[in-house]
Amino acid sequence: AQKVTQAQTEISVVEKEDVTLDCVYETRDTTYYLFWYKQPPSGELVFLIRRNSFDEQNEISGRYSWNFQKSTSSFNFTITASQVVDSAVYFCALSDSGNTPLVFGKGTRLSVIA
Amino acid sequence: DTEVTQTPKHLVMGMTNKKSLKCEQHMGHRAMYWYKQKAKKPPELMFVYSYEKLSINESVPSRFSPECPNSSLLNLHLHALQPEDSALYLCASSQDRLSTDTQYFGPGTRLTVL
Repeated sequence: AQKVTQAQTEISVVEKEDVTLDCVYETRDTTYYLFWYKQPPSGELVFLIRRNSFDEQNEISGRYSWNFQKSTSSFNFTITASQVVDSAVYFCALSDSGNTPLVFGKGTRLSVIA
Repeated sequence: DTEVTQTPKHLVMGMTNKKSLKCEQHMGHRAMYWYKQKAKKPPELMFVYSYEKLSINESVPSRFSPECPNSSLLNLHLHALQPEDSALYLCASSQDRLSTDTQYFGPGTRLTVL
C-alpha cells in the first residue's frame, strides 16, 4: 500500500533561515511519481515539483531545492533564505503506476517570522 | 496557463438548500477531480472524471452529485447537506488520468453548512 509520511507537523523559522521539510514514502511499485504542493492561507494548492522514480537528480529552482533518495525513500524539500511569503502548508504526495489516486502526506505547516 | 477557476469562493447554505459548485479549466485537460479538505487535513478525493465520464467515486454520499457537462466544466451539486460537510472543496485537472500527470488545483470553495 502507498503511504506518505510528513513527520513535521509544524515548523517555525525566522526569516532568512534555511528550512528542510521531510517526506518519507512507501510503495511497492518500482515506477512512481512524487510531488510537492504548497497551500497558502488562501487555500489553493500550488504545484511545485514532480519527480519520477527513475530520476534521482536533485533539483534546484531559485530558493527551492529537492533531494530525492530512493535508498531512504525520501523526497525532502529545502527552502533557502526563507521569506514570510513562504508561510504555508506544504504537502508531499505520491502516485504509482497503477492510476491509483494521489496519496497525500498530512502536510507540514511552515511559519516564517519576520 | 495552468489556471483552474472555481465559483463561488465562499458559500453558506442551510441543510435544506440546493446549491452547485462550479469548476472550469481551459488547458485541454481530459481528467477533472473533486476533493474535500477539512481544516488541518490533506485533501480527500471525492470524484474523478476522465473524458467526461465518471471513473472514480470514493463512496461519496448521494447528497453530493457531480456532473461534467463538457471537457472544460465540472459541477458539484449539493443537496440536503449536513454541518459536517462544511469544508474547502477543491477542483483539479490533469492532462489525463495517469499517475504521470500533474494535477493542477483551483482556489477552492469554502462551504459552510448551517
